[in-house]
Amino acid sequence: SQQGEEDPQALSIQEGENATMNCSYKTSINNLQWYRQNSGRGLVHLILIRSNEREKHSGRLRVTLDTSKKSSSLLITASRAADTASYFCATVNSGYSTLTFGKGTMLLVSP
Amino acid sequence: EAGVAQSPRYKIIEKRQSVAFWCNPISGHATLYWYQQILGQGPKLLIQFQNNGVVDDSQLPKDRFSAERLKGVDSTLKIQPAKLEDSAVYLCASSSGGWGGQETQYFGPGTRLLVL
Repeated sequence: SQQGEEDPQALSIQEGENATMNCSYKTSINNLQWYRQNSGRGLVHLILIRSNEREKHSGRLRVTLDTSKKSSSLLITASRAADTASYFCATVNSGYSTLTFGKGTMLLVSP
Repeated sequence: EAGVAQSPRYKIIEKRQSVAFWCNPISGHATLYWYQQILGQGPKLLIQFQNNGVVDDSQLPKDRFSAERLKGVDSTLKIQPAKLEDSAVYLCASSSGGWGGQETQYFGPGTRLLVL
């Protein structure tokens, strides 16, 4: 079964704009990870945030985690056409070591 | 560093036929995963190996799916007999250590299977 639910299902923006994607989950987690998937590079790990962390940055990516609301958000700043892809959140539940992926958000960045 | 290799990249078979997928993980990676990704969904873990032992196969349909990891390196995933609902992309991933949850998983390009 899938743990994370991403929102929105699809997002279309212009280059230079910011893109925000949200992920909600149901059970206690050890960590939450974001992945990107496109036809060119396959599925690629972007960032991992642990349950005791609230915010993490990596380049143009900013991830927040609110364990009280069981939600996370991924912000991509100054988006580029190359950011066009599907973005998935994946959770590692407490006591387990396996990843459970959501259904993903499709992001389209137009030049 | 070479990435995760998978073959074939595409496969079309008739239902009730058998099919096998091969994966070669990144050199030195102890943990290997097989995922199934149906169109429009996220990947679903089928089986996780640590070295040549199975860590988790709770979502593997064992009546038709089997997997092995020879000598703790390469792995094969087999479906016999295939059903229409097995049409999906089969992804292989690997990570370096023994506890996959805290480590980056590196994914291969996947095998796209179409069952007619």
